[in-house]
Amino acid sequence: DVKVTQSSRYLVKRTGEKVFLECVQDMDHENMFWYRQDPGLGLRLIYFSYDVKMKEKGDIPEGYSVSREKKERFSLILESASTNQTSMYLCASSLGGPGSYGYTFGSGTRLTVV
Amino acid sequence: DAKTTQPTSMDCAEGRAANLPCNHSTISGNEYVYWYRQIHSQGPQYIIHGLKNNETNEMASLIITEDRKSSTLILPHATLRDTAVYYCIVRPQGAGGTSYGKLTFGQGTILTVHP
Repeated sequence: DVKVTQSSRYLVKRTGEKVFLECVQDMDHENMFWYRQDPGLGLRLIYFSYDVKMKEKGDIPEGYSVSREKKERFSLILESASTNQTSMYLCASSLGGPGSYGYTFGSGTRLTVV
Repeated sequence: DAKTTQPTSMDCAEGRAANLPCNHSTISGNEYVYWYRQIHSQGPQYIIHGLKNNETNEMASLIITEDRKSSTLILPHATLRDTAVYYCIVRPQGAGGTSYGKLTFGQGTILTVHP
């Protein structure tokens, strides 16, 4: 069964800490995405990557960075965590290139910044 | 991307068909209609997508009107496990590189299936 795996289901970090959220997919997908989901705001795109070492800002990139050194892995980095980054973080992947493809999502990481 | 309009919530009896509507009156010719659902505390799950023809898979059927301005997702025999938030999304066909066609999620429809 194809999978997108997020390294942690629940995470608690302190304000000012550097936080790494890891996502790995085993489907050889070109595209990978990071979303955050908050009550009343729905899912919002933070960053995406369409190839190794390539990245594009989504709708809310401020306070975040990403890294894609290998095709299967896409990391989200909170350089200095703040309480307003407490959220559910969702990673997704999809095939790239011409065509229409569905996304496969991970189970999510619920991050609490205290 | 074209915007979509969905009812905030719907109810359905177990074993009956659940018909979830979606309006996308500003849809462009190259935009697909996608449906996802999200069960509580899980990531969204892809259900089905289509361009202009009706589509069916093991999970659901998608009916798109001839003018493509609206669509309906049909769960033929709803079960309690189908209780979830259902998202209707339109996005363009991917063209490679940065033209990948991102997903923009709205608020969706909360479907509650009752025993």
